[in-house]
Amino acid sequence: AQKVTQAQTEISVVEKEDVTLDCVYETRDTTYYLFWYKQPPSGELVFLIRRNSFDEQNEISGRYSWNFQKSTSSFNFTITASQVVDSAVYFCALSDDLYGSGNTGKLIFGQGTTLQVKP
Amino acid sequence: DAGVIQSPRHEVTEMGQEVTLRCKPISGHDYLFWYRQTMMRGLELLIYFNNNVPIDDSGMPEDRFSAKMPNASFSTLKIQPSEPRDSAVYFCASTNRQGPDTQYFGPGTRLTVL
Repeated sequence: AQKVTQAQTEISVVEKEDVTLDCVYETRDTTYYLFWYKQPPSGELVFLIRRNSFDEQNEISGRYSWNFQKSTSSFNFTITASQVVDSAVYFCALSDDLYGSGNTGKLIFGQGTTLQVKP
Repeated sequence: DAGVIQSPRHEVTEMGQEVTLRCKPISGHDYLFWYRQTMMRGLELLIYFNNNVPIDDSGMPEDRFSAKMPNASFSTLKIQPSEPRDSAVYFCASTNRQGPDTQYFGPGTRLTVL
């Protein structure tokens, strides 16, 4: 069965600190996708990044970076020089290959990590 | 390009009443998903459609819940009769096979059943 674990329920940091959000996943599929979504206090779910299982290159986008390691089934998210606007709940999610035979493409979400960035 | 649109944004109703939630997917997207978010269960998939056809409704909690997609630009999720335990945020998301398989979410409908 597919499963996503975000062991950190809540993290609190002071502005400008770096913070890493952990994500560990379980799947038997060879082709799968990993995602991070942000849910700010306003409630919407904002897509941040998508990674497929064949691409283990780390990615950097501004202050955000992602570290994907298949060997440890982890897809961690780092925010460098955090800002108050980064305060949100962050979800890691896993899906199978939507277009693969018998697959659903549905997202399996972790429980989320609440990040509070204090000024 | 407009994102996924959901209405209403907030709904307060009394137990036993019928509730209808609405979703307009992103134009050109042929997959539509309904999710529910609660404190206890987190985010969970209820049902999804491909080309307006329901493909997997195994997440629908019980017969009180039903979903339809009469055309490519509109879907409804109906709860009849509603119960207090249905109180949650309901999200609609869409994607397409031409894109990167990323599901884009609407703003959600916060449902409160008194």
